[in-house]
Amino acid sequence: EVQLVESGGGLVQPGGSLRLSCAASGFTFSGYWMSWVRQSPGKGLEWVAIIRQDGSEKIYVDSLKGRFTISRDNARNSLYLQMNSLRVEDTAVYYCARVARGAAGGDFWGQGTLVTVSS
Amino acid sequence: DVVMTQSPLSLPVTLGQPASISCRSSQGLVDSGGNTFLNWFQQRPGQSPRRLIYKVSDRDSGVPDRFSGSGSGTDFTLKISRVEPEDVGVYYCMQGTHWPWTFGQGTKVEIK
Repeated sequence: EVQLVESGGGLVQPGGSLRLSCAASGFTFSGYWMSWVRQSPGKGLEWVAIIRQDGSEKIYVDSLKGRFTISRDNARNSLYLQMNSLRVEDTAVYYCARVARGAAGGDFWGQGTLVTVSS
Repeated sequence: DVVMTQSPLSLPVTLGQPASISCRSSQGLVDSGGNTFLNWFQQRPGQSPRRLIYKVSDRDSGVPDRFSGSGSGTDFTLKISRVEPEDVGVYYCMQGTHWPWTFGQGTKVEIK
């Protein structure tokens, strides 16, 4: 059974940093692109970034380039999102999602982790 | 960015009756390989999104056959042939042809 479990969310002040993790199991993690998607009441669902199987290619939504960094450790079956210079508008539930082969988008999603940016 | 526009945004339905959600994209979704990466997701209250349909009309494993997707070009539709209580939630279309992949605003399905 495919499982994706996010962790690392919490309350952080504007300008602060946070690192999210996603532990994957039930499939060959190194065989899939992976992604982060966020959901906020104001902006709905928004793809944040995707990363190739070996980590050699990373694609970000333009508005987050330079502040967020996606990475992965295939030996640990883990996906990460380093978030720096956080803003109030980054407040959202962050989901880890497996990118579907040959279909784009996420075919399996984690339960999400809430990030709240507030002073 | 490709804008995905859904209608209606709220859909009260009677149990056992059909329901239909429309999704329109601001650009065509056919890629250079001839694929159309249009997905539909269901998000039940308190849960994460679940993919129902991919590439316009292919149903995911375990998805009841009362759900069907259709469309082409810039106009797509999700249909539920007979609404069941467990179908309550928000439905999103999503395009995966152009980066950044983008979602519609969501359509809230509720029981009358």
